[in-house]
Parts: sequence; structure tokens; C-alpha cells
Amino acid sequence: DTGVSQNPRHKITKRGQNVTFRCDPISEHNRLYWYRQTLGQGPEFLTYFQNEAQLEKSRLLSDRFSAERPKGSFSTLEIQRTEQGDSAMYLCASSSVSGANVLTFGAGSRLTVL
Amino acid sequence: AQTVTQSQPEMSVQEAETVTLSCTYDTSESDYYLFWYKQPPSRQMILVIRQEAYKQQNATENRFSVNFQKAAKSFSLKISDSQLGDAAMYFCASPRYSGYALNFGKGTSLLVTP
Repeated sequence: DTGVSQNPRHKITKRGQNVTFRCDPISEHNRLYWYRQTLGQGPEFLTYFQNEAQLEKSRLLSDRFSAERPKGSFSTLEIQRTEQGDSAMYLCASSSVSGANVLTFGAGSRLTVL
Repeated sequence: AQTVTQSQPEMSVQEAETVTLSCTYDTSESDYYLFWYKQPPSRQMILVIRQEAYKQQNATENRFSVNFQKAAKSFSLKISDSQLGDAAMYFCASPRYSGYALNFGKGTSLLVTP
């Protein structure tokens, strides 16, 4: 078990470009979550999958954000037409359907929009 | 709106002393788990302790314990015999209305002084 893996760890892009982040959860976990964290703040919920189904999406998530988990394993988070306000750490977490639903987090993908 | 409130942006404690971090939450769930997570500087979030709401006994994990007051929706974290390695951001989390994803507070930055 290698934990939750996120790539790339850091992405620098120019305003208006599209970026994509990938998350590989713990293999036996069927729930996957995306959060956004800005400096000095707590993680802000973006979206949640159970297997390949996207079951919840934050109302704060604009149409420029889309997430997929096509085969119920890895997930991608795409941000289109990036803005400077998108600069943040994007955290992925996964959990098992059984037990206490403990979220295990990855190290995050830091986005810097110039 | 379901929220998690951490009213102490920063706390300081001397090594070997005890410190308590406060948290209040709001959830419509009847049976749920509450969590405290720790985020060291530039490192990933890790679980510190969890509490199942229907258990009246407060959870304990080594030097970490909670004071759970369900009626008051209060969930504080006590760290005993504080160590330098305890210095980090601490986040309280409670379930979203979906029951699976979590809402996080804004965090408390804990400084441990020698």
C-alpha cells in the first residue's frame, strides 16, 4: 500500500491555460474526494466519488472545474481557463466504504497561476 | 449551512504541558464520526483521532484525547505532555450532509516552545 498518490506535485501555469491533476487512491478504497486548500485555511470540499459515480459536487465549484473517475480507480481534476484565484493546493483523499470512513490524504498538487 | 468552527487561530504551549484546542460543529446526521487531523508544515494531512458520536466515552490515542459534548456539538482536542513534533496546523472535521465527505474548520496553528 503506497498511500494516496497525486501528480504533479507542483504546476505553474499562465492565466487562461488548462491544467489537469491526477489522483491514485489507496487500491481498496472506493470513495475518493477532492479538496482545495489556500494558505492558512482549512480544506474546502470540491467533489466526491463513490466508485465511478460523482455523488456530490460543491456549489462553489465553477463550471471551469471538472472531475472524473472513469473506472472507479484513479481520478482527474481539470481546471479550464485558469484564473489567478485558482492558485491553491488541491488535495485528494480516499476512504473505504466500511468502518469509520477515515479519509487518507495525498500530499497534494500545488497550482500557481501567473 | 453545515459548518465547523475553530475559534483559536493560534495556540502556544510549552513542552511537556497540556493544551486544548476547541471546535464546534453543525451536522444533521444522527450517527456520525468526528475527526481531528494534523498538518505539519509542508506535509500532508494525517489523522490524529476520531470519535463516534453515539459513543459516550471520549476517544483517546496515547497523548491525544477528546472532550465530546454531543448536545452542545462541541469536540475539543487535548494534547498532553506536548512535544516539539506536535507543532502543526490542527483541523477539526465533521460530516457533510452526504454523510461521507467532511467539512473542515479553518484550523488552529499550534506552536510548541522548548
